[in-house]
Amino acid sequence: QKEVEQNSGPLSVPEGAIASLNCTYSDRVSQSFFWYRQYSGKSPELIMSIYSNGDKEDGRFTAQLNKASQYVSLLIRDSQPSDSATYLCAVNKGNTNAGKSTFGDGTTLTVKP
Amino acid sequence: DAGVIQSPRHEVTEMGQEVTLRCKPISGHNSLFWYRQTMMRGLELLIYFNNNVPIDDSGMPEDRFSAKMPNASFSTLKIQPSEPRDSAVYFCASRPGTGVEQYFGPGTRLTVT
Repeated sequence: QKEVEQNSGPLSVPEGAIASLNCTYSDRVSQSFFWYRQYSGKSPELIMSIYSNGDKEDGRFTAQLNKASQYVSLLIRDSQPSDSATYLCAVNKGNTNAGKSTFGDGTTLTVKP
Repeated sequence: DAGVIQSPRHEVTEMGQEVTLRCKPISGHNSLFWYRQTMMRGLELLIYFNNNVPIDDSGMPEDRFSAKMPNASFSTLKIQPSEPRDSAVYFCASRPGTGVEQYFGPGTRLTVT
């Protein structure tokens, strides 16, 4: 079992719809959770971080965390073609390697005009 | 700010040759990470440094790989001898001491023939 699992997709949504991206992790001591966006041929860019259970909103993006279920998600409202990218979920453990992130394989999102 | 700088951006070499990848982190950042990304294995952490000291090198594939950080503004990842299976995009990322966000460089696309 991988430490961080994501549906590889591709996920396709029409412009203006809500895109829902999901991630599960295996280590219960995980403390910090991140979503990175990676455009084709580019480097990952952090778009959301979340540390406590519940929802965190930033513009059109909402991250949701449920530590009991070991589940983190990213919702993108009013999806735009410019949101088409691969979204990587990353998890940090709460130990001496707190700065070390384990990444999922990513979910590829396509937003169709 | 110039961001994380990596060189070269592209490298094509023959099997058996030595390859050196270079990274300049963002000034003031005290953590540096080397990742490798392939379609098959996703984004993998190879090694990370804190205050120029290697903290975790458990992701380094084998003895052919080595990394150094002689000072706060420079790091190298060396592969000797290189093999075709080393072909990948290698990312360097840096992180400030008080933050959790990692800033990725543009990557080096390595092709070993």
